[in-house]
Amino acid sequence: DAGVTQSPTHLIKTRGQHVTLRCSPISGHKSVSWYQQVLGQGPQFIFQYYEKEERGRGNFPDRFSARQFPNYSSELNVNALLLGDSALYLCASSQSPGSPEAFFGQGTRLTVV
Amino acid sequence: EDQVTQSPEALRLQEGESSSLNCSYTVSGLRGLFWYRQDPGKGPEFLFTLYSAGEEKEKERLKATLTKKESFLHITAPKPEDSATYLCAVQARISTGNQFYFGTGTSLTVIP
Repeated sequence: DAGVTQSPTHLIKTRGQHVTLRCSPISGHKSVSWYQQVLGQGPQFIFQYYEKEERGRGNFPDRFSARQFPNYSSELNVNALLLGDSALYLCASSQSPGSPEAFFGQGTRLTVV
Repeated sequence: EDQVTQSPEALRLQEGESSSLNCSYTVSGLRGLFWYRQDPGKGPEFLFTLYSAGEEKEKERLKATLTKKESFLHITAPKPEDSATYLCAVQARISTGNQFYFGTGTSLTVIP
C-alpha cells in the first residue's frame, strides 16, 4: 500500500512568486491536513479538509489557500511568497477528521530566496 | 490561549536507561492527544492516540499515559534506534472547526 505521497520533494522559489504543493492521501482516507514545519519547531496547523470541505483552519494569512479534489487528493497554494515561508510542508491523511490515526507524508521542502 | 508544551527540549540517555518525556497542554474542547516520532528530514510517524484521562497505550519500549492536563511518554530500556524527536499534538474542536496544536518536541539521543 502506498503511503501519503507529496510532490515535489524540494522546491526553490523567489520572493513574490506563488507555489502549489500536492498531496495524495492513503487509499481510503478522505481527510487531508496541511502543516508548516520550520526547522527546530513543531508542525503548525494550516488547514484540514474532509470530503472536499474545509473543516479547520490555522492562524495563517490569506496568502495560504487549499482545496481537495473528488479523488481526495489536495493542493496547498501559497501566493506572494516571503522568505519566512521557507519550511517543510507536511500533509497528513486520515479516514475522517476524528480518526485516531493520522499518517504524514515525507513533506515538501520549500526554500524562498 | 491554547498551547502545548513539551519538556525537556533535549534528553540524552545511556542505552537501557529508562526515562519519561512530558507534554502539558491547555486546550479547551480536547478531542485527542497524539504522540509522533520524527527522524531528521522526514515526516512524523504516528505512535499513539489518547482520548481520556487515565488512558494508557503501549508499543514495544514506549508507553503513553494521559491525565487531564498532561501526557507522559515513558521509554523503558531505550536503544540507540529510539533516538529521534518525539512530538506531542492535541486536537481541539472550536467554533470554526478542528484545530491541531503541536509542541516543539523532545530530541532524544540514546548513547550505546
